[in-house]
Amino acid sequence: AQSVTQLGSHVSVSEGALVLLRCNYSSSVPPYLFWYVQYPNQGLQLLLKYTTGATLVKGINGFEAEFKKSETSFHLTKPSAHMSDAAEYFCAVILSGSARQLTFGSGTQLTVLP
Amino acid sequence: KAGVTQTPRYLIKTRGQQVTLSCSPISGHRSVSWYQQTPGQGLQFLFEYFSETQRNKGNFPGRFSGRQFSNSRSEMNVSTLELGDSALYLCASSPGGVVYEQYFGPGTRLTVT
Repeated sequence: AQSVTQLGSHVSVSEGALVLLRCNYSSSVPPYLFWYVQYPNQGLQLLLKYTTGATLVKGINGFEAEFKKSETSFHLTKPSAHMSDAAEYFCAVILSGSARQLTFGSGTQLTVLP
Repeated sequence: KAGVTQTPRYLIKTRGQQVTLSCSPISGHRSVSWYQQTPGQGLQFLFEYFSETQRNKGNFPGRFSGRQFSNSRSEMNVSTLELGDSALYLCASSPGGVVYEQYFGPGTRLTVT
């Protein structure tokens, strides 16, 4: 069975500092990987995805993530945090095939300090 | 393009009642999935519909059901509501084919009293 682990349910960074949110997956087959962001009282917004090809993927709002098969990781980074980045972030996986069942991590609440 | 829309946004029901939630996917998207989000269990997959057929189902009791119409709009029904069904219900649409990313609506906040 596949699962997703997000290390750190709460992460605080100062404005302008590096953002690093960790995600590890367990799957015998490299899955498709996604990061979503959720602002209060809203749905999920897709930040970026890895399906095939380049392992370093860039997303919206300056975020990027690198798929490392050997480490089964897909960590999310942003060089310089902005106050507007404060939100909850979810890592998710989906196995290739016809099904589109997303399996989510438990989420990381990002706080940006002034 | 307009995004995924869900109606209603907020709903309060009494235990034992039933409820129907609606989702309109992004134009041209044929796959619609439903997820339940709660503080205790996080985000959990309910089911996926593609071309009016349920293609995949999560580990939820039979009280949770859904359907998809020919225009790809989808409804989700929960019968005999329990207090534990209080949650944010999220609908997501996807084009289908070799595209796997899903785009979420704002959700319906269901409160069962």
